[in-house]
Amino acid sequence: TQLLEQSPQFLSIQEGENLTVYCNSSSVFSSLQWYRQEPGEGPVLLVTVVTGGEVKKLKRLTFQFGDARKDSSLHITAAQTGDTGLYLCAGASWNTGNQFYFGTGTSLTVIP
Amino acid sequence: GAGVSQSPSNKVTEKGKDVELRCDPISGHTALYWYRQSLGQGLEFLIYFQGNSAPDKSGLPSDRFSAERTGGSVSTLTIQRTQQEDSAVYLCASSLLLGYSGNTIYFGEGSWLTVV
Repeated sequence: TQLLEQSPQFLSIQEGENLTVYCNSSSVFSSLQWYRQEPGEGPVLLVTVVTGGEVKKLKRLTFQFGDARKDSSLHITAAQTGDTGLYLCAGASWNTGNQFYFGTGTSLTVIP
Repeated sequence: GAGVSQSPSNKVTEKGKDVELRCDPISGHTALYWYRQSLGQGLEFLIYFQGNSAPDKSGLPSDRFSAERTGGSVSTLTIQRTQQEDSAVYLCASSLLLGYSGNTIYFGEGSWLTVV
């Protein structure tokens, strides 16, 4: 059973364009994280959100946690080639044993 | 160490043989996690340790998979009688504490297993 579904699964855009990646679940999470993973490396944490409706900005990246804490989005403004990678959301709550369960992933390619 | 260290980084093994994958977490981290990732896909949770204890082993795909952690540090994931569907990247991660609140999980670079 996949707790977290991400969309789109694959995304290829031109440098300078904007994009949004979605992470959806039927479960409520106490905490949700976004990671970026480059080929041959482990995922690296980008942000953690814990409050429903919370919005966090990290330079050109904007993360939002849904009001009901079941979904999240990642918006990238003016994408750069360095943004290329696999983006993973991960949710945790008391009924997942406090463990982070990862989403299906979104593979982003930014074309120069 | 400075980061989570995994070995081997790459392993090719014949179907039916056993393999051991090792994880050396960040010093002082009490929680350790194993995930499996197929090519370009999300992470499948396998097992976690709090100290040397693994309270929930239900994430392990089959009884051919086992894991242990000794001394609250190094962990070994063992796959017996490997099958081709076991081919994947096995990622280890650690965190200072168990639980999600304000917790940062640090990942190793993974062990790429290919069963031929």
